[in-house]
Amino acid sequence: DTAVSQTPKYLVTQMGNDKSIKCEQNLGHDTMYWYKQDSKKFLKIMFSYNNKELIINETVPNRFSPKSPDKAHLNLHINSLELGDSAVYFCASSLGTGDEKLFFGSGTQLSVL
Amino acid sequence: SQKIEQNSEALNIQEGKTATLTCNYTNYSPAYLQWYRQDPGRGPVFLLLIRENEKEKRKERLKVTFDTTLKQSLFHITASQPADSATYLCALDISYGNKLVFGAGTILRVKS
Repeated sequence: DTAVSQTPKYLVTQMGNDKSIKCEQNLGHDTMYWYKQDSKKFLKIMFSYNNKELIINETVPNRFSPKSPDKAHLNLHINSLELGDSAVYFCASSLGTGDEKLFFGSGTQLSVL
Repeated sequence: SQKIEQNSEALNIQEGKTATLTCNYTNYSPAYLQWYRQDPGRGPVFLLLIRENEKEKRKERLKVTFDTTLKQSLFHITASQPADSATYLCALDISYGNKLVFGAGTILRVKS
C-alpha cells in the first residue's frame, strides 16, 4: 500500500481552466502539506494542515485553495490556471508533533499550455 | 536574505569512494536539519535528521554533521554504489516542526 498517494500523476490543461489534485495518506498522520517544485528543483511549501486546520499558508495566489475533508485527505484546487503554475506538486504528511520527517507522494506534474 | 545553498554542480565519483555533499545556509537558525533523497519522477525520501545540539549522526553508510557556527551540514555516503545516484536535498526546520525549507539539491552520480 502506498503511504501517501496523489492523483493524477500527470495533468495537462489549458490556461484558464480549473483543476484539482487529490492526496490521501494512510499513515495515521495529523499533518499534511502541499509543496511545489519548480523547474529549478526548489521545493517550496504552499500549505500545511494539522487535523483539518490550516496551519501554514505561504504567499500563494488565492487561485490555489486547499481542502481537507478529514485528516487523511488534503486536496488542492487551482482556479484560472496560468502558464507559471506549471510545476510538480507534491503532497506530504508527518506525524505533526514537531521535528518530524516528511513522507512525500510521488508528485503531480502539471503542465499548463 | 535567507538562503540555503547546496553544491550547484553535479558530483561525479567512482564506486567505492566516499561522497561528500555540502549544505550551507545564511540568516536561518534551524532547530534541526534533514537530508532527503529524490529519484527522477519520485517524491523525496527522508534519510536523516540532525538536531542543533548534535554534531554528528550516522545510519549505515550515511553520516551527517551539523555545525551551527559555520552554518553548514555535510552529508557523507561511504563505500558509494551506483544505486546511490540520485539528487540529495537538505532541508531546514525554521518553525519547530511546522515548516521545512529545502535547498535545490545536489545531483550525485556514482560510476562503476
